[in-house]
Amino acid sequence: QKEVEQNSGPLSVPEGAIASLNCTYSDRGSQSFFWYRQYSGKSPELIMFIYSNGDKEDGRFTAQLNKASQYVSLLIRDSQPSDSATYLCAVGGGSNYKLTFGKGTLLTVNP
Amino acid sequence: KAGVTQTPRYLIKTRGQQVTLSCSPISGHRSVSWYQQTPGQGLQFLFEYFSETQRNKGNFPGRFSGRQFSNSRSEMNVSTLELGDSALYLCASSFQPGRSYEQYFGPGTRLTVT
Repeated sequence: QKEVEQNSGPLSVPEGAIASLNCTYSDRGSQSFFWYRQYSGKSPELIMFIYSNGDKEDGRFTAQLNKASQYVSLLIRDSQPSDSATYLCAVGGGSNYKLTFGKGTLLTVNP
Repeated sequence: KAGVTQTPRYLIKTRGQQVTLSCSPISGHRSVSWYQQTPGQGLQFLFEYFSETQRNKGNFPGRFSGRQFSNSRSEMNVSTLELGDSALYLCASSFQPGRSYEQYFGPGTRLTVT
């Protein structure tokens, strides 16, 4: 059974700092990796996806993937209070397209 | 462009009853996935429908079922409700299976079983 593990947090960082969110997965056949942000009481929204080893940057967000270590991370630079949310890591693989989600990390950015 | 809509938004049922939830995907999207979200288990995949056919199923008992109509709208049904079925049920749509990078979630239906 596929497993996706995340530190539950809460992770607290000061405004302007770099927030680092981590995720490990068990299935070596996984091929696609996603980071979702979920504000309290809202539905998840996709913020980053990555398929290849290495880094992918989009504005203040950088996703990092290391398939050998089965590890994916999300860095948020210049963290803002509006980044305070739960961040969900999701992993997909093979031909079944099914996503397996981690339980999420609660991030709090303090002004 | 209208987003994914789910009805009802909130629902209270008693144990043993059944419930039907509805999801209307974004216009043009033909794939609909359903998820259950609880504090203890997180977000868990229920099933996915495309072209009125179930393409994928998660590890849930047979009490959970779904269907998709020709207009891509989808419904999920839970029979013989249990207290543990209390959760936020989310649906997500995309153009077709495998395009999770363009999958959008609806606002969810909050189901409370008493």
